[in-house]
Amino acid sequence: AQSVTQPDIHITVSEGASLELRCNYSYGATPYLFWYVQSPGQGLQLLLKYFSGDTLVQGIKGFEAEFKRSQSSFNLRKPSVHWSDAAEYFCAVGVWRSNFGNEKLTFGTGTRLTIIP
Amino acid sequence: KAGVTQTPRYLIKTRGQQVTLSCSPISGHRSVSWYQQTPGQGLQFLFEYFSETQRNKGNFPGRFSGRQFSNSRSEMNVSTLELGDSALYLCASSFTFTGTSGTKKSSYNEQFFGPGTRLTVL
Repeated sequence: AQSVTQPDIHITVSEGASLELRCNYSYGATPYLFWYVQSPGQGLQLLLKYFSGDTLVQGIKGFEAEFKRSQSSFNLRKPSVHWSDAAEYFCAVGVWRSNFGNEKLTFGTGTRLTIIP
Repeated sequence: KAGVTQTPRYLIKTRGQQVTLSCSPISGHRSVSWYQQTPGQGLQFLFEYFSETQRNKGNFPGRFSGRQFSNSRSEMNVSTLELGDSALYLCASSFTFTGTSGTKKSSYNEQFFGPGTRLTVL
């Protein structure tokens, strides 16, 4: 079964600083990888996704992520954070099954991002 | 296009009662998935429905059930509520995208989440 590890429970960065959130997955084949963001009291918003092709993917709000098969990682990055980026970030892996489409998403435990002025 | 809507947004019940939550997917989406989010267990998959059929199921007791209607709207039901059922219940509707990498075509489902229903069991 697939699994996702987000080793950092809470990260604090200064506004304007760069950000990297770590995500490691475990799955026997090429996974479908996603990063979601959740603001307090809200649902999940998709930031970006990887399903094939270029290993560096661009998302919304200036985020990008790089898929590294050799390290089983899909780390999220942003060159300069804004106060509005404070939220909880979830990495997820999905498995594609032919004739069935996407199987369930398996989520990491999330990383809470705090931005200090 | 309107997003995924969930009703009600907040709900308070007592132990032993049952509850029904509703989810309306994005127009044209035929798959609806349900997730439970708690501080202790994080986000856990409950089940997925496609064309009125349960296509996938997570590891939850039989007290948790769902259904999907012909218009793709979905409901989930929790019977005999327990304190531990207090959670944010998220619904996601999905659409299949097809992309091309070189000459290879790939498909994947992108899930769009609703705002959730916050269930509190007293």
